[in-house]
Amino acid sequence: EAQVTQNPRYLITVTGKKLTVTCSQNMNHEYMSWYRQDPGLGLRQIYYSMNVEVTDKGDVPEGYKVSRKEKRNFPLILESPSPNQTSLYFCASSPGTYNEQFFGPGTRLTVL
Amino acid sequence: ILNVEQSPQSLHVQEGDSTNFTCSFPSSNFYALHWYRWETAKSPEALFVMTLNGDEKKKGRISATLNTKEGYSYLYIKGSQPEDSATYLCAFLSGGSYIPTFGRGTSLIVHP
Repeated sequence: EAQVTQNPRYLITVTGKKLTVTCSQNMNHEYMSWYRQDPGLGLRQIYYSMNVEVTDKGDVPEGYKVSRKEKRNFPLILESPSPNQTSLYFCASSPGTYNEQFFGPGTRLTVL
Repeated sequence: ILNVEQSPQSLHVQEGDSTNFTCSFPSSNFYALHWYRWETAKSPEALFVMTLNGDEKKKGRISATLNTKEGYSYLYIKGSQPEDSATYLCAFLSGGSYIPTFGRGTSLIVHP
């Protein structure tokens, strides 16, 4: 089944404790991205990757890191999480930059 | 950050009603507009990818039109059913930018 998977689905952590949210897709898509969804706001892109070893900042990259060592994986790293990073996070992939995106199930992160 | 507006913010209709809502976006440097359907507790799923002025797309009872010159797209649902209840998102992509700008969505609730 073609899909985007994310783990964990739910995470409660404390300020400053490094964490990684994994994202994997099995559709051989070139483009992958991370979004956060906050109440009253549209989905905002954090980082995107157009291919292996090619990543770039989205609209809200501060406090996040990503890597794209393999085509299928695009982990999101929070080196020192803060409460303002409490949010619902989505990973997405698509065949190309302007194609429709396929979203993962979401990760609800709470930083205390 | 580009301004993408969706209206209305929420909509309650009765089963069988037809309804429509709007996505407004910048009329310059248009590349593509995506519509997504987002059901509660799930992830967004693509409905339409629209690229040409005058585009009309249809999927079952749902259709969409695009006017790039004036910067708007309409989404229509004919004969709404309770299973159409969801948030409908639009995402604007401008030429030369790989960062989609999402609207805040229109929340549709269809009452039996």
